Order: sequence, then structure tokens, then C-alpha cells
Amino acid sequence: GAVVSQHPSWVICKSGTSVKIECRSLDFQATTMFWYRQFPKQSLMLMATSNEGSKATYEQGVEKDKFLINHASLTLSTLTVTSAHPEDSSFYICSATTFQGSEKLFFGSGTQLSVL
Amino acid sequence: QKEVEQDPGPLSVPEGAIVSLNCTYSNSAFQYFMWYRQYSRKGPELLMYTYSSGNKEDGRFTAQVDKSSKYISLFIRDSQPSDSATYLCAMNSAGGYQKVTFGTGTKLQVIP
Repeated sequence: GAVVSQHPSWVICKSGTSVKIECRSLDFQATTMFWYRQFPKQSLMLMATSNEGSKATYEQGVEKDKFLINHASLTLSTLTVTSAHPEDSSFYICSATTFQGSEKLFFGSGTQLSVL
Repeated sequence: QKEVEQDPGPLSVPEGAIVSLNCTYSNSAFQYFMWYRQYSRKGPELLMYTYSSGNKEDGRFTAQVDKSSKYISLFIRDSQPSDSATYLCAMNSAGGYQKVTFGTGTKLQVIP
């Protein structure tokens, strides 16, 4: 099956700093990647949809200046949490799909962000 | 009303039991239905994928979709302690890069 690698798996940072999370599709070209946020005992919340070579589409209520998404190649998308605050602490997950459609999504292993 | 409703559990069953996990939804446009398994602090893993109504079997897992009732199920036969995880249903409309809507997940515990 398709493999999506997400790094780092966990990160602790000080309030006010920026954190970058990488999402790579290892054995397929991902024209579209998705970024989610998950709070304990809650479902995955889609933050943004990232298409290779174009600007990300953010969901309503997600600050695009705070959560910077870059999808520079067919195998890599990055999420940068800028000027992180404790309320940004969460589990962030990426997923990727191929050009054939969104019927199947393959997820990364997630990143637990803790902002002190 | 949420688009997708899923009982959060937790659901505890003895090893070897048949497990039934369910979701209901309200959007009649949904055509693709998925079940994911998520271990604690890990990304979801695709278990089953079905299109429209019907049944699909894969090993100990059977996915069932009833579009007329807007109801989907995942059955796990001969449950094992390693099946202990949170199970997420997910669905989206036909075609294109449609947004996938997830249920909140049901936490399952299989007791040895």
C-alpha cells in the first residue's frame, strides 16, 4: 500500500516560536495533500487542502497566516505553525491522494505538537 | 445535526467476539465509504473502502452500506486484542477531490 511519511512524530517548542512539519509520499506522486488537526476524543478536522504548485485552500476558521502550507513537489508538503501558542498544541496529521481521485486517502503517522 | 454520527464508545468485548461498529449520515450525496483504524497517537490506517450500497469482505472484516437508511457498518469476526483501537468511519461524494467527512470514532477494547 501507499506510504506517507510524516516528520517529526512529536515536537515540543516554546511559545512564540515556529514549527515545521513535513509530509512525504514515499512511493507515489501526491498531487493533493490534506492537513488535519485532531483533539482528544474528537474527529479529524480538515484544516487545508494542498495542491502541488499552487496555494493551499483553507477551511473556514483556519488562519492561513498562522498555518503556512507549502506543497512544492509531488511528494512533499509542509505545514508551518508560526508564532505557536499553547492553544495550538494538538495532534496534526497529513494525508495524500493520487490524481485518480479522493476515494482513498493514505495518512501519515501524525505529529504531536506541545507548545509550552 | 452532524453530517456523520458515530457512537464514541468505548466498546469492550471479549476476545473472539463479533464486533459491530456503525455510523449514520445525513448527506445523501455520499457515495464512497471508508473505515479507518487508528491506534493511539498514530495516523489512521485504511481498513475498508466501499462504493455505494452493498457488502465487502476482507479477511475478518466486513463492511456494509445501506444507502436507503444512510447507515454503514463494520463487522469484525473473531476479534483479537490487537484489534483494540479507535475505528473511524469516513465518507465523501462521488468524483474529484471531495472533502472527506469523518465520524468521531468508536474506541474498541478487546479483552483477552
